[in-house]
Amino acid sequence: SQLAEENLWALSVHEGESVTVNCSYKTSITALQWYRQKSGEGPAQLILIRSNEREKRNGRLRATLDTSSQSSSLSITATRCEDTAVYFCATVPNYNVLYFGSGTKLTVEP
Amino acid sequence: DMKVTQMPRYLIKRMGENVLLECGQDMSHETMYWYRQDPGLGLQLIYISYDVDSNSEGDIPKGYRVSRKKREHFSLILDSAKTNQTSVYFCASSLGGDTEVFFGKGTRLTVV
Repeated sequence: SQLAEENLWALSVHEGESVTVNCSYKTSITALQWYRQKSGEGPAQLILIRSNEREKRNGRLRATLDTSSQSSSLSITATRCEDTAVYFCATVPNYNVLYFGSGTKLTVEP
Repeated sequence: DMKVTQMPRYLIKRMGENVLLECGQDMSHETMYWYRQDPGLGLQLIYISYDVDSNSEGDIPKGYRVSRKKREHFSLILDSAKTNQTSVYFCASSLGGDTEVFFGKGTRLTVV
């Protein structure tokens, strides 16, 4: 969707390293969500950050939101092999409707 | 246990056959969705349902229709399936607004 887009198709890091996935969006939003999709599964929400928030944390995950530049980032610290997945940002420009980017494939190698 | 269940998980159909994908959720969510996922394209919204018999088209509704007769069930129907409808289909549900969306495990449909 052009309404949300991650800036990289794929990333690779070694276990224990930190990594950041970036996302840009093109319209005003009420919230931005980050999802993770492991192979063979449906997406699962990691973090929801509302338009009046600048940062949100969830364990090893940290999301930021900059509404002036219409961008967001998701950082993962101390990565583990099980963090290997596709990471999506998704925006809610209209009430109820969630639009996804095409995703960043993260590979965490031992 | 909060769950969205999709049946079947895998399906192979011939071009021109009708296809029924079923979805159920146990969270009493009003809002339900059907998305399809193709490589490199992320998830594209096919239909959204706000409650029983209250359905709206998403971005790619052509070739699909939906049915929601009970709050917990949402069906996706392909009348006369086409090969370009080969994809992975995800059903999802939420409380609505910008709340978390819960996804099923997906149905991989192949139309030959």
